[in-house]
Amino acid sequence: EEHLVESGGGLVLPGGSLRLSCAVSGFSVSGYWMYWVRQAPGKGLTWVSRLDIDESITEYADSVKGRFTVSRDNAKNTLFLQMNSLRVEDTAVYYCAKGGIIHALDVWGQGTTVIVSS
Amino acid sequence: EIVLTQSPGTLSLSPGERATLSCRASQSVYSNHLAWYQQKPGQAPRLLIYGAFTRATGIPDRFSATGSGTDFSLTISRLEPEDFAVYYCHKHGVSPLFGGGTKVEIK
Repeated sequence: EEHLVESGGGLVLPGGSLRLSCAVSGFSVSGYWMYWVRQAPGKGLTWVSRLDIDESITEYADSVKGRFTVSRDNAKNTLFLQMNSLRVEDTAVYYCAKGGIIHALDVWGQGTTVIVSS
Repeated sequence: EIVLTQSPGTLSLSPGERATLSCRASQSVYSNHLAWYQQKPGQAPRLLIYGAFTRATGIPDRFSATGSGTDFSLTISRLEPEDFAVYYCHKHGVSPLFGGGTKVEIK
């Protein structure tokens, strides 16, 4: 069975950094497009980043471009999101998700909470 | 840049009733790469529909979807108690995008 488990969230000061991890089981992280999606408190879903099968190909939402970096470790079967220069508006639950058939998000983790506050 | 607009924002219905949710794109969605997700409080979203009309694995057939180009809809034929939730449409693939969501609440 396919599973995703996020970790690494927490409370951080504005301007700080966090590294989120998404442990993958039941499939290979290198075999699918992988995504990070976030949800601010009481708000809807917002796409954050995409990592292609070709790991040199990445995409970011404009709101995080230049501050966030998505990567993976094939040996550990884990997806990462390095978040730098964090802002209050980055406060959200962060989900990792697998792009399945025609890249619809068919497997989701339970989410990890990031709070950016002074 | 494509924008996905979902309507209505909230739908108040009773169990057993039919729900119809709309998702309109500001530009044509490539190859109908349009998905629908259900999200309940405190839970991750669940994929219901992909490719505009194909039910994901394990999704009951009371959920159906149609549409192409810029206009898409999700129908729940007879609402079950577990169907009251927030529903999001999603342009999937490259440069993905979510709609703002429709809350289906108990009347």
